[in-house]
Amino acid sequence: EAQVTQNPRYLITVTGKKLTVTCSQNMNHEYMSWYRQDPGLGLRQIYYSMNVEVTDKGDVPEGYKVSRKEKRNFPLILESPSPNQTSLYFCASRISGTDTQYFGPGTRLTVL
Amino acid sequence: ILNVEQSPQSLHVQEGDSTNFTCSFPSSNFYALHWYRWETAKSPEALFVMTLNGDEKKKGRISATLNTKEGYSYLYIKGSQPEDSATYLCAPNTDSWGKLQFGAGTQVVVTP
Repeated sequence: EAQVTQNPRYLITVTGKKLTVTCSQNMNHEYMSWYRQDPGLGLRQIYYSMNVEVTDKGDVPEGYKVSRKEKRNFPLILESPSPNQTSLYFCASRISGTDTQYFGPGTRLTVL
Repeated sequence: ILNVEQSPQSLHVQEGDSTNFTCSFPSSNFYALHWYRWETAKSPEALFVMTLNGDEKKKGRISATLNTKEGYSYLYIKGSQPEDSATYLCAPNTDSWGKLQFGAGTQVVVTP
């Protein structure tokens, strides 16, 4: 089954404790993105990657890092999480040349 | 960052009634307009992609129209059913890489 998976789905952590949210897709998509969703705001893009080893900042990249060592994986790294990073995070992927994105199930992160 | 506005923020509809809501976006550098349907506890799913002024798309009881000259799109739900309850997101992309800018969404609640 074609899908985008994220882990963990839920995470409660404390300020400053490094964490990684994994994202994997099995559709051989070149383009992958991370979004955060906060009440009253639309999905905001954090980082995106157009292919292996090609990443770039989205609209709200501060406090986040990503890597793209393999085509299928696009982990989101929070080196020193802070409470303002409490949010719902979505990973998404698509084929280059099309715009329709396929979203993962979301990761709800709480930073205390 | 584009200014994408969706209105209303939320609406309550009686089962069987029809409804519609709006997405407004900058009309310059337009490539495509996407509608996504996002049910609670699930991930957003693509509904429509529209590219041409005057485009109309239909999927079951849901349809959408596009006016690229004035920068708006309407989404219509005919004969609303409880399963139509969701947040509907619009997202124009205005660059050739296909980056989407999401609106905050219109939350639709259909009551029996």
